[in-house]
Amino acid sequence: QVQLVQSGTEVKKPGSSVKVSCNASGGAFTTYTINWVRQAPGQGLQWMGVIIPVSGTTIYAERFQGSVTLSADESTSTAYMELNRLTSIDTAVYYCASALKGGPFESWGQGTLVTVS
Amino acid sequence: SFDLTQPPSVSVSPGQTATIACSGNKLGDEYASWYQQKPGQPPVLVIYQDVKRPSGIPERFSGSNSGNTATLTISGTQAMDEADYYCQAWDTNNVVFGGGTKLTVL
Repeated sequence: QVQLVQSGTEVKKPGSSVKVSCNASGGAFTTYTINWVRQAPGQGLQWMGVIIPVSGTTIYAERFQGSVTLSADESTSTAYMELNRLTSIDTAVYYCASALKGGPFESWGQGTLVTVS
Repeated sequence: SFDLTQPPSVSVSPGQTATIACSGNKLGDEYASWYQQKPGQPPVLVIYQDVKRPSGIPERFSGSNSGNTATLTISGTQAMDEADYYCQAWDTNNVVFGGGTKLTVL
């Protein structure tokens, strides 16, 4: 089972951007899709989108179309989530999660807290 | 896409059976998954493809999915099962999570 390790806590100014990384180990990076899920303080889970690293194909949740960019670097088995035009409502923990295409989220990163202030 | 609705909270006594429902239009036509999340930790997959348990998940966790409702059942609930539980399904090219249910073991 793949293990996912995310980059550390970020504090950002409103209007700026943030890029969170998610490094995969212990499994074939190209076998999985990498999903991104947001959890605002005290709130539930919100799916942001998915990237298929082997092809670079991305699918975004409608809510995040135009504000999120997902990418992946096969050479380092790392996926990235970049969120633009940050506002206070983007303050949340961001998780990456691996899944076979269309499957359940089998492994999760530890989460990255992004604070916009 | 459909919405998935869960009760905000469920309470159960230790050793009893906890049942958490997840409702969505024709949810039974899709595979449902369930995740357990404890405070300060990432979610953990406990049920996938409606009824399957990943390796390492205790047998007391079981699932079903039919019609418009998926159900997570925890038999012989233990104090360590106290957590938030989320259902999830794919809807075409979109992932939907339920709002989450806080399970309290009294």
